[in-house]
Amino acid sequence: GQQVMQIPQYQHVQEGEDFTTYCNSSTTLSNIQWYKQRPGGHPVFLIQLVKSGEVKKQKRLTFQFGEAKKNSSLHITATQTTDVGTYFCAGRFLGAGSYQLTFGKGTKLSVIP
Amino acid sequence: GAGVSQSPRYKVTKRGQDVALRCDPISGHVSLYWYRQALGQGPEFLTYFNYEAQQDKSGLPNDRFSAERPEGSISTLTIQRTEQRDSAMYRCASSEGQYEKLFFGSGTQLSVL
Repeated sequence: GQQVMQIPQYQHVQEGEDFTTYCNSSTTLSNIQWYKQRPGGHPVFLIQLVKSGEVKKQKRLTFQFGEAKKNSSLHITATQTTDVGTYFCAGRFLGAGSYQLTFGKGTKLSVIP
Repeated sequence: GAGVSQSPRYKVTKRGQDVALRCDPISGHVSLYWYRQALGQGPEFLTYFNYEAQQDKSGLPNDRFSAERPEGSISTLTIQRTEQRDSAMYRCASSEGQYEKLFFGSGTQLSVL
């Protein structure tokens, strides 16, 4: 089936360092969403990207959607301990069943104080 | 309610027993999803409802799994003749519409002994 690949699986950073996670699909996505899951918690919506080449910012977080709508990235500037958690991308594929949201395996971020 | 409510929070059952997991979505949300999440993995799509109609059940692993949402609100995911491999966190999510952001519940942790 159609999959969304996410790398890296784990990332350990020193507090204050930057962090980036990447999401890739072999086929074109209609849109992509990003979620954050804190340890022991449930996924919480961060943002949705729809347009080719779209860039959105939320404070220290920058989200990008590739020109071909096959890849996306999340970049966190100057990480803080509150950024700890697993970040998931979730894509909707074009065509029948496009309401199905397919999640990547996530990138688990650890921040060393 | 204020959020998506799932019950029970934990379910321990013996192999071969049937279990029913309940999801009460946010009031007014027409879309409802069931996902399964293994430890350290991303949510895996199971099934999707638009109002009371089950529009996609392609993610259900086999015919032991079924779901319903008879009045377009509360949904039940039923697993018959449970097996150890069914052990996982089962998450329900709802959204205002088919392409909107998902709101996840806290999940039901199923353990099959």
